[in-house]
Amino acid sequence: DAGVIQSPRHEVTEMGQEVTLRCKPISGHDYLFWYRQTMMRGLELLIYFNNNVPIDDSGMPEDRFSAKMPNASFSTLKIQPSEPRDSAVYFCASSFTLGRRKETQYFGPGTRLLVL
Amino acid sequence: QKEVEQDPGPLSVPEGAIVSLNCTYSNSAFQYFMWYRQYSRKGPELLMYTYSSGNKEDGRFTAQVDKSSKYISLFIRDSQPSDSATYLCAMSTYYGSSNTGKLIFGQGTTLQVKP
Repeated sequence: DAGVIQSPRHEVTEMGQEVTLRCKPISGHDYLFWYRQTMMRGLELLIYFNNNVPIDDSGMPEDRFSAKMPNASFSTLKIQPSEPRDSAVYFCASSFTLGRRKETQYFGPGTRLLVL
Repeated sequence: QKEVEQDPGPLSVPEGAIVSLNCTYSNSAFQYFMWYRQYSRKGPELLMYTYSSGNKEDGRFTAQVDKSSKYISLFIRDSQPSDSATYLCAMSTYYGSSNTGKLIFGQGTTLQVKP
């Protein structure tokens, strides 16, 4: 199994540009999570999906952030326009509903975003 | 006040030492407790998972949950340099017969085990 796949692994962009982060969850998983990690704030949940439907987007910082999951094998997190304070590592994670182990989230390698 | 509090460290110990990592929480609805380990420049990976109060052991690792005190711990015996990583506690709520699947993470504690 390839695990959760994220692309790109690194992204450097200038303030004001649009940034799109991509995620392919583990096949068969029905939950997908987007997190942001910084030194100051730690790991923060931005949004999560169940069966491609957004369930909780209360962690999305502002309207500049949007996420979609058009099908079970693909999700995007978009920032438009990007700002320097968006610089962070963005993780995608997936899990599946089976008994009580829904909490076992499998994380991707992350995308390191730097907004200049 | 954050729902989950964790001392970020860093914590530095000599090889072979016993390590104690801790988290406190405020939400009594948390029923599932986990420890994730994150190596530098990698994503977190699940290390330990507990559902109820008490201890759970897995090799050199022991997870302890005290719901009455809203306190969880992870103990590492005979620590090794390969244990050097950031350890994040995580918790999930339970509603009715299922749970949300949503995790609340602690800040993470950075551990360095020196040879």
